[in-house]
Amino acid sequence: GAVVSQHPSWVICKSGTSVKIECRSLDFQATTMFWYRQFPKQSLMLMATSNEGSKATYEQGVEKDKFLINHASLTLSTLTVTSAHPEDSSFYICSARPGPRGYTFGSGTRLTVV
Amino acid sequence: AQKITQTQPGMFVQEKEAVTLDCTYDTSDQSYGLFWYKQPSSGEMIFLIYQGSYDEQNATEGRYSLNFQKARKSANLVISASQLGDSAMYFCAMREGKTSYDKVIFGPGTSLSVIP
Repeated sequence: GAVVSQHPSWVICKSGTSVKIECRSLDFQATTMFWYRQFPKQSLMLMATSNEGSKATYEQGVEKDKFLINHASLTLSTLTVTSAHPEDSSFYICSARPGPRGYTFGSGTRLTVV
Repeated sequence: AQKITQTQPGMFVQEKEAVTLDCTYDTSDQSYGLFWYKQPSSGEMIFLIYQGSYDEQNATEGRYSLNFQKARKSANLVISASQLGDSAMYFCAMREGKTSYDKVIFGPGTSLSVIP
């Protein structure tokens, strides 16, 4: 089946530093990648939609200068959390649609900012 | 306005019994898709079942079935013969439209606990 590989699985960083999260579609081309954030005991909230070769579309309330998204190829999308702060600590997960019915998710990244 | 509603924050079910997880949605689109995902404590999102708005029959995938009532805008998940491994968060989700650009939004989730 279609697989989205997400790295790293977890990361701890110091406040003020930047962290990059990668999502790769392994056996299909992902024209579009969706990035979600999930706080403990809450649902997935869509942050942005990245499209290969064009600018990402951000949801209302999401700072595009803080959450930089790059979708340079049909198999790779990255999310960079810039100048991370403790309130950015969360579970970040990407998703792509390999076929007409289902969406495939990455395994997620647990970010802890200390 | 919330588009996906799951009114059961937590549910308990006895092992081997069936359980229904409720989901209602709101959309003005004619073409949309409804999904159920399972999220165990590891965090991975596991696809369970899909129902298209034009599908005439209720979707079934093994022990999972979706009770789709279009007029009532409900898409309840039925899990038959519950197993201990079914304990997890369950999310109902909806895609409006039918292209790969169409985003999916999630409901608040239901935490299911299966009791031995």
